[in-house]
Amino acid sequence: AQSVTQPDIHITVSEGASLELRCNYSYGATPYLFWYVQSPGQGLQLLLKYFSGDTLVQGIKGFEAEFKRSQSSFNLRKPSVHWSDAAEYFCAVGARGNTPLVFGKGTRLSVIA
Amino acid sequence: KAGVTQTPRYLIKTRGQQVTLSCSPISGHRSVSWYQQTPGQGLQFLFEYFSETQRNKGNFPGRFSGRQFSNSRSEMNVSTLELGDSALYLCASSEISGGNEQFFGPGTRLTVL
Repeated sequence: AQSVTQPDIHITVSEGASLELRCNYSYGATPYLFWYVQSPGQGLQLLLKYFSGDTLVQGIKGFEAEFKRSQSSFNLRKPSVHWSDAAEYFCAVGARGNTPLVFGKGTRLSVIA
Repeated sequence: KAGVTQTPRYLIKTRGQQVTLSCSPISGHRSVSWYQQTPGQGLQFLFEYFSETQRNKGNFPGRFSGRQFSNSRSEMNVSTLELGDSALYLCASSEISGGNEQFFGPGTRLTVL
């Protein structure tokens, strides 16, 4: 069965510092991978996705993620964090066919001045 | 295109009552998935409908049900509400069924007293 692990429940970074959020997945075949962001009381917004091809994918708001098959990871990065990036971030894994998306528990990002 | 809309945005019910939530997907999307989000359990998949047929179902009791209409709009119903049903209910739409890119609505916040 598919599963997603986000090892960090809460991360605090200073504004302007770099950010890396970790995501590890378990899936037998080549997965579809996603990062979503959720502001308090809101729905989820798609930041970026990986289906195939180039393992470094660019997303919105200056985020990028790298798919590493050997490590079963899809970590999210941003070179310089802004205060508005404070939110909850979810990694998800899917696949071609009928199986639904599986989400990680999320990582809450706090940004301090 | 307009995004996914959910109504109502907020709802307060008492134990034992039933509730119906509504979701209108992005125009042209035929798949609608429902999720329950709570602080303790994170995002949990309820069910997915595609072209009026339930394609997938999560591990929830039979009190949780749903349906999809010919215009792809979907409703979910929870009968005999329990305190533990208090959650943010998120709807997501997709062009195709399964673990593909999904677009989320803002959610319905249900509080059971």
